[in-house]
Amino acid sequence: EAGVTQSPTHLIKTRGQQATLRCSPISGHTSVYWYQQALGLGLQFLLWYDEGEERNRGNFPPRFSGRQFPNYSSELNVNALELEDSALYLCASSFYRLGPTDTQYFGPGTRLTVL
Amino acid sequence: AQTVTQSQPEMSVQEAETVTLSCTYDTSESNYYLFWYKQPPSRQMILVIRQEAYKQQNATENRFSVNFQKAAKSFSLKISDSQLGDTAMYFCAFMRNQGAQKLVFGQGTRLTINP
Repeated sequence: EAGVTQSPTHLIKTRGQQATLRCSPISGHTSVYWYQQALGLGLQFLLWYDEGEERNRGNFPPRFSGRQFPNYSSELNVNALELEDSALYLCASSFYRLGPTDTQYFGPGTRLTVL
Repeated sequence: AQTVTQSQPEMSVQEAETVTLSCTYDTSESNYYLFWYKQPPSRQMILVIRQEAYKQQNATENRFSVNFQKAAKSFSLKISDSQLGDTAMYFCAFMRNQGAQKLVFGQGTRLTINP
């Protein structure tokens, strides 16, 4: 069974640009979660999508946004990039309908570097 | 708000030894879930073990076991017969039983298994 996949592996942008990160969940999973792992800040919850809807959002500014497509894959968009957005962005998926605490399985991440 | 604390930033043991990683958390919830994830240098976050707070029995997965002390809000991970492949960052994480669906992570413990 294929795991969670993310693309690209690495992304280099300059300040002010926009970045788009992509995630494909495990087949059958309906929920996608995004986390930011920044140096010194640890892992922080960004966004949760389920059945195409944004269900929860972490303490991040509105320039962090995303969406979930009908096939349950997801995009994370970061607008007006700032240097502190440099981080590893992890995507996770779960089958929410099994129960609200179904285990989240993670992808390998996208390393975003903002110059 | 929930917080998770891992008081050991780094640990190092010899192969085949037993090692225990500490985790404490703070919550006013009575139903919740606790997880240990490992993140090897490949960056892929892998679930190690999961514990439901309503279960008194400590979870076990092969060489990995937990000591869950609900009253003390403590959730330590024991790795028996440690192997070189256990070298990784280990993260303790908390999730509420209802609502937000976000994982709250500790800062991590970097574990090195020496040959």
